[in-house]
Amino acid sequence: QQPVQSPQAVILREGEDAVINCSSSKALYSVHWYRQKHGEAPVFLMILLKGGEQKGHEKISASFNEKKQQSSLYLTASQLSYSGTYFCGTGESGGSNYKLTFGKGTLLTVNP
Amino acid sequence: DGGITQSPKYLFRKEGQNVTLSCEQNLNHDAMYWYRQDPGQGLRLIYYSQIVNDFQKGDIAEGYSVSREKKESFPLTVTSAQKNPTAFYLCASSTTGDAIKPQHFGDGTRLSIL
Repeated sequence: QQPVQSPQAVILREGEDAVINCSSSKALYSVHWYRQKHGEAPVFLMILLKGGEQKGHEKISASFNEKKQQSSLYLTASQLSYSGTYFCGTGESGGSNYKLTFGKGTLLTVNP
Repeated sequence: DGGITQSPKYLFRKEGQNVTLSCEQNLNHDAMYWYRQDPGQGLRLIYYSQIVNDFQKGDIAEGYSVSREKKESFPLTVTSAQKNPTAFYLCASSTTGDAIKPQHFGDGTRLSIL
């Protein structure tokens, strides 16, 4: 079952912040985040592996709450280059350890 | 530079025809994956392979087949049994076949029905 991402779409002005959430009904041991520009390949952003772990990548960071089976991606002081569709991919505890299940994506548009 | 090469970029299939999508990687990765992407649906796993000569079905394997005879290559065949093949197909690889390593994606193949 696919993880649920929210919101489905968000529009920002340059410099504003956004939060994208990823929620699973399964116990998780990893969460991946990727960004995809229209018609291009998804690009890896970060992986979170432990409950409560937070990681940062430039002005993009993420948290992983293992108990709640949720992850959030934080984009601060957004830039035009942040526009694209963001996907979370989840690795499930107790299931196949060799595959990710991706959410349907969140379309982020950053306007000048 | 190392990377994943998918070909062709665009492919058209006639009714009843099998077509094969190519995926080659020179990253020396053990694991390779095929995903299908439809508008608003995210990425859905078709097949994956952790090592040469071994592969497993993903969530939507019906109507597709794969082979993994070489570490660098993981071709996907879309058979005539796949009644709705129009989609964007992405190949990916990772160093190992567990879900704790980043996946690197090719630029995709867009398949359409003639």
